[in-house]
Amino acid sequence: GDSVTQMEGPVTLSEEAFLTINCTYTATGYPSLFWYVQYPGEGLQLLLKATKADDKGSNKGFEATYRKETTSFHLEKGSVQVSDSAVYFCALTTHQGAQKLVFGQGTRLTINP
Amino acid sequence: DAGITQSPRHKVTETGTPVTLRCHQTENHRYMYWYRQDPGHGLRLIHYSYGVKDTDKGEVSDGYSVSRSKTEDFLLTLESATSSQTSVYFCAISPQGLDTEAFFGQGTRLTVV
Repeated sequence: GDSVTQMEGPVTLSEEAFLTINCTYTATGYPSLFWYVQYPGEGLQLLLKATKADDKGSNKGFEATYRKETTSFHLEKGSVQVSDSAVYFCALTTHQGAQKLVFGQGTRLTINP
Repeated sequence: DAGITQSPRHKVTETGTPVTLRCHQTENHRYMYWYRQDPGHGLRLIHYSYGVKDTDKGEVSDGYSVSRSKTEDFLLTLESATSSQTSVYFCAISPQGLDTEAFFGQGTRLTVV
């Protein structure tokens, strides 16, 4: 079945460091891909998305490119801030039958000042 | 604020008792979803609804039932709670299906003792 695999966490970085969180997927057909973020004590919020191959999603300085050839959707940010500390989830939506969001296990990111 | 209210926010219950969680939306969105969040598993879909009285099972539906008698309310019932159902439960809504964006509630932390 469809699945998403994220890099193991937790990830701890210093402020202004470069961030990469790896995400790969397995899916039939051509899924849409998402990154959601969960701040402490809150629900998930959509961070960015891409709906077809080679699309780049971006928001709040974060970027991810839909790579069909490597089935990947890695999240990057050039200079992280303390306020970026959160749990990040990679997800996909299947387009066969009813749409369902399939999530990775989440990566906890902590940014130290 | 996507107009989603989950209740209760926290609950402790005993094994074998029935429990109902409520998700209320003010957005009049068609699609509603119940997920559970567990460490190492990300979010997993329990049940979803694509309209009043129209519901279907997700990947972890055993031991759960749902009802949607009004557009704005989606109820999740644990018929006889077990310790394996201790989790954080999230409701999500979407206007056009998950290919666009899903909005999540703040979650209900359920502990079964």
